[in-house]
Amino acid sequence: EVQVLESGGGLVQPGGSLRLSCAASGFTFITYGMSWVRQAPGKGLEWVSAISTSGGSTYYADSVKGRFTIFRDNSKNTLYLQMNSLRAEDTAVYFCAKGTQCDYWGQGTPVTVSS
Amino acid sequence: DVVVTQSPLSLPVTLGQPASISCRSSQGLVHSDGNTYLNWFQQRPGQSPRRLIYKVSYRDSGVPDRFSGSGSGTEFTLTISRVESEDVGVYYCMQGTHWPRTFGQGTKVEIK
Repeated sequence: EVQVLESGGGLVQPGGSLRLSCAASGFTFITYGMSWVRQAPGKGLEWVSAISTSGGSTYYADSVKGRFTIFRDNSKNTLYLQMNSLRAEDTAVYFCAKGTQCDYWGQGTPVTVSS
Repeated sequence: DVVVTQSPLSLPVTLGQPASISCRSSQGLVHSDGNTYLNWFQQRPGQSPRRLIYKVSYRDSGVPDRFSGSGSGTEFTLTISRVESEDVGVYYCMQGTHWPRTFGQGTKVEIK
């Protein structure tokens, strides 16, 4: 059974940092690109970032470019999102999704940026 | 960036009746590999999104056959042939051809 389990969310002050993790199982992780998508409270889905199978290619939404970094550890079947210089508008539930077409989603981890 | 526009944003439907959602992209979605990467997602209240349709018209495993996708170029449609109560939620399209990926605003389906 495919599973992706996000963790690492929480409350952080503006300007702070947070690292999200996504533990994958039930599929051959190294053969899939991976994605992060977020959803602000009461709002729609916003694509955030994606990464290729090897990690050699990464892609970002303009809203997070230069502040967020996506990377993966294929030996641990884990995807990460390093979030720096956080802003109030980054407050959202962050979902990890399998593939660059987001074919399977986790339950999400909430991130709140507030003083 | 490719702008993806859904309509309507709210769709009251009668149980057992059909429903259609439109998704339009500001650029064509044919990839250099020949595929058109247009996906549809369902998000039920309080749940994570679930992909229903990929490459315009292919249903994901376990998706009821009352859901169908169609379209080409820049115009796409999700159709529910007979709406059931479990179909209540928000539906999103997402273009998966160009970087960055972009979602439509979402269409809220509710029962009249």
